[in-house]
Amino acid sequence: QKEVEQDPGPLSVPEGAIVSLNCTYSNSAFQYFMWYRQYSRKGPELLMYTYSSGNKEDGRFTAQVDKSSKYISLFIRDSQPSDSATYLCAIQTGGFKTIFGAGTRLFVKA
Amino acid sequence: DAGVTQSPTHLIKTRGQQVTLRCSPKSGHDTVSWYQQALGQGPQFIFQYYEEEERQRGNFPDRFSGHQFPNYSSELNVNALLLGDSALYLCASSFPNYGYTFGSGTRLTVV
Repeated sequence: QKEVEQDPGPLSVPEGAIVSLNCTYSNSAFQYFMWYRQYSRKGPELLMYTYSSGNKEDGRFTAQVDKSSKYISLFIRDSQPSDSATYLCAIQTGGFKTIFGAGTRLFVKA
Repeated sequence: DAGVTQSPTHLIKTRGQQVTLRCSPKSGHDTVSWYQQALGQGPQFIFQYYEEEERQRGNFPDRFSGHQFPNYSSELNVNALLLGDSALYLCASSFPNYGYTFGSGTRLTVV
């Protein structure tokens, strides 16, 4: 079993839609949860960082962590074509390394 | 404020050769991590350097080695290159218990 599971998609939505991206993880000891966005031919860019269960909001983005279910989500409201990218969930294990999901490719159609 | 810079951006090497990739961290960051990202996959942790020491290592063979310099910059060395080493190599710098700032990566192709 992989430590972090993420559906690779692709996910295609119309402009203005609400997007839901999800990951599951296997180890209840994992402490810090992140979402990164990666455009083609670029390095990942940190979008959200949280260490507790519940919701964290930043503009059109909301990160949700459910530690009891070992499930993390990223919601994007009013999606835009510029949101088209690969979204990577990532979990910092409490040691020094961060484990990434495989990434979900998102396409937002104008 | 410059972010993380990596060089070179692209590289083509022959099987069996050796390669050195370089990284300058974001100003103020003292920790450097290296990741390998195969096409269509998430980044895989190679190792992390802090205070010029390798602090943690992922599941990569000894052909992968690194170094961190007193100015926090870092190098990744790969010996005896295999075709399977073809990937995007990402350098990330950070503070403890915070997310990474990534560079744009070095695209390595082994032929």
